[in-house]
Amino acid sequence: DVRLVESGGGLVQPGGSLRLSCAASGFTFSDYWMHWVRQVPGKGLVWVSRIDSDGNSITYAEAVKGRFTISRDNAKNTLFLQMKSLRAEDTALYYCARTQYGSNPFRSGFDIWGQGTTVTVSS
Amino acid sequence: SYVVTQPPSVSVAPGQTATITCGGNNIGGETVHWYQQKPGQAPVLVVYDDRLRPSGIPERFSGSNSGNTATLIISRVEAGDEADYYCLVWDRNNDRYVFGAGTMVTVL
Repeated sequence: DVRLVESGGGLVQPGGSLRLSCAASGFTFSDYWMHWVRQVPGKGLVWVSRIDSDGNSITYAEAVKGRFTISRDNAKNTLFLQMKSLRAEDTALYYCARTQYGSNPFRSGFDIWGQGTTVTVSS
Repeated sequence: SYVVTQPPSVSVAPGQTATITCGGNNIGGETVHWYQQKPGQAPVLVVYDDRLRPSGIPERFSGSNSGNTATLIISRVEAGDEADYYCLVWDRNNDRYVFGAGTMVTVL
């Protein structure tokens, strides 16, 4: 059964840090590019970051660039999102998602999603 | 950065056809994917690569993409189709990904 399970969310003060994890199972994790997507309750989906299968090609949304770091451990089938200098506007449900396998992973959709982990930034 | 535009809401009677658009500059030259999200659930891919359906998605869901508009069509709408729908495009110039703001489909 193909599955993604996020963890690591919680309540953090503005300026604080948090590390999210996404455990993958049921597929060869090292073959797939991965993404983080966030969603404020009642609002739309917002893409956050992408990492390729080897961790060599990484890109971020402008809103998080310089504060968030995406990484992966293929030996442990786990994706990470290190978040620093957190702001109230980073409060959201954070999903990890798998890039659909295809000839061009840049333009491929996200076919498998986790259930998300909630990050709340508040004093 | 690349901008895509969706109508906030679409209302449709059961059995009729819902048409959801995703507008963007020459979006027909890009690859568009569509997601369905029901309250409290993670998004589900319903159409990928403009017009293809993942396994398990009913044939009632179809897509097209040309010019400045990509379209998701839901034929013979059912009550269970009531959800938010999002389009997704890769912004090739910035190597980032853009979701539309979402369209709420209401089944009357």
